Amino acid sequence: NAGVMQNPRHLVRRRGQEARLRCSPVKGHSHVYWYRQLPEEGLKFMVYLQKENIIDESGMPKERFSAEFPKEGPSILRIQQVVRGDSAAYFCASSRQGGDTEAFFGQGTRLTVV
Amino acid sequence: QKEVEQNSGPLSVPEGAIASLNCTYSDRGSQSFFWYRQYSGKSPELIMSIYSNGDKEDGRFTAQLNKASQYVSLLIRDSQPSDSATYLCAVIGSGNTGKLIFGQGTTLQVKP
Repeated sequence: NAGVMQNPRHLVRRRGQEARLRCSPVKGHSHVYWYRQLPEEGLKFMVYLQKENIIDESGMPKERFSAEFPKEGPSILRIQQVVRGDSAAYFCASSRQGGDTEAFFGQGTRLTVV
Repeated sequence: QKEVEQNSGPLSVPEGAIASLNCTYSDRGSQSFFWYRQYSGKSPELIMSIYSNGDKEDGRFTAQLNKASQYVSLLIRDSQPSDSATYLCAVIGSGNTGKLIFGQGTTLQVKP
């Protein structure tokens, strides 16, 4: 009974490269959320997706960031042309339904931009 | 005004004492409330969920909700050094896109 799986756990990218972060939700969960956490700071909401739909992307930067959750396969958070300020921990959470159901987190991807 | 507010702490309590963690939220229509624990360098772990006014107990943890005062709290009885962590309050607002909004978290230190 696997939980939320994120990979890679650690990712190092040079400035200007692309970063792809993957999230496989708990089996049976169709809702995925992405959060960013800077050192010593709280969790900042980025985007909420259902299968094949973006429900709320109000926390996503307007440029360079995109997310998808296809019908088959994991959810992907993509950051193009990374900059040093993108260095952070990116967490994915999943829930069975949206709204008031409990969400469970993956182990996160630590992105370092050098 | 922040949507979810917590005192960042640190809150320091002696081992065996009751730790009381507090959270206020701005959206009066919010219906769903959660407490997560996050150890340093780790991911958040769900501890409690609460949806109705009153108390909800689970082992050493009690969540309290007062919607009229827009206030949620978490009590940890018989605190242990292993409870030392950051505790995050999270709320789903009335707009109900399902977006979980987190407070900044309160750091708890339990001294042996």
